[in-house]
Amino acid sequence: DQQVKQNSPSLSVQEGRISILNCDYTNSMFDYFLWYKKYPAEGPTFLISISSIKDKNEDGRFTVFLNKSAKHLSLHIVPSQPGDSAVYFCAASAISSGTYKYIFGTGTRLKVLA
Amino acid sequence: DTEVTQTPKHLVMGMTNKKSLKCEQHMGHRAMYWYKQKAKKPPELMFVYSYEKLSINESVPSRFSPECPNSSLLNLHLHALQPEDSALYLCASSQAIPRGREKQETQYFGPGTRLLVL
Repeated sequence: DQQVKQNSPSLSVQEGRISILNCDYTNSMFDYFLWYKKYPAEGPTFLISISSIKDKNEDGRFTVFLNKSAKHLSLHIVPSQPGDSAVYFCAASAISSGTYKYIFGTGTRLKVLA
Repeated sequence: DTEVTQTPKHLVMGMTNKKSLKCEQHMGHRAMYWYKQKAKKPPELMFVYSYEKLSINESVPSRFSPECPNSSLLNLHLHALQPEDSALYLCASSQAIPRGREKQETQYFGPGTRLLVL
């Protein structure tokens, strides 16, 4: 049972255009969401996060949007650069009754074409 | 220094072997994590240590045994593994694990140890 899903396994975008990566979750217990970027042979690298009390967080070229009613978040990268080509994972976390959950999505491979 | 190091980078072991994976961070973080990642799958949380005490064990088989000798080091001892345990094992650290609705602490990941069990 995959509680955090990224329905697009891959995405290709032209350099300079916007990349939009999507993530859906099923458990309303999640209250903090993160995006990580992963290059081959490296561990995931943190990009940006958002608390469930917000609907938008922006950091440079990266913006994360959260729609709690739809249990959906998205990462916008604009403008996209070839160096952004990597696998992107969303992650969701929750603390409830002393239980800590930190669950990664299935990943989307982004390719930015020069 | 935001680096988490892991050794070895690659490990091949037989099902009767005993081996250990090592993880180290010098960021003063008090929470450390082990994840397992199979090919084309997301990382799955295995263990969480908080202040050198095992905080969370996500129903991991006993053939995996974590150890936190001090606040900078995290080991994962392996014994009698199965071929299906072959995966990338990732270590991560964060300043702390969250309590209640506090700000989530970002996790910093090492490059992983790629394990092959024959």
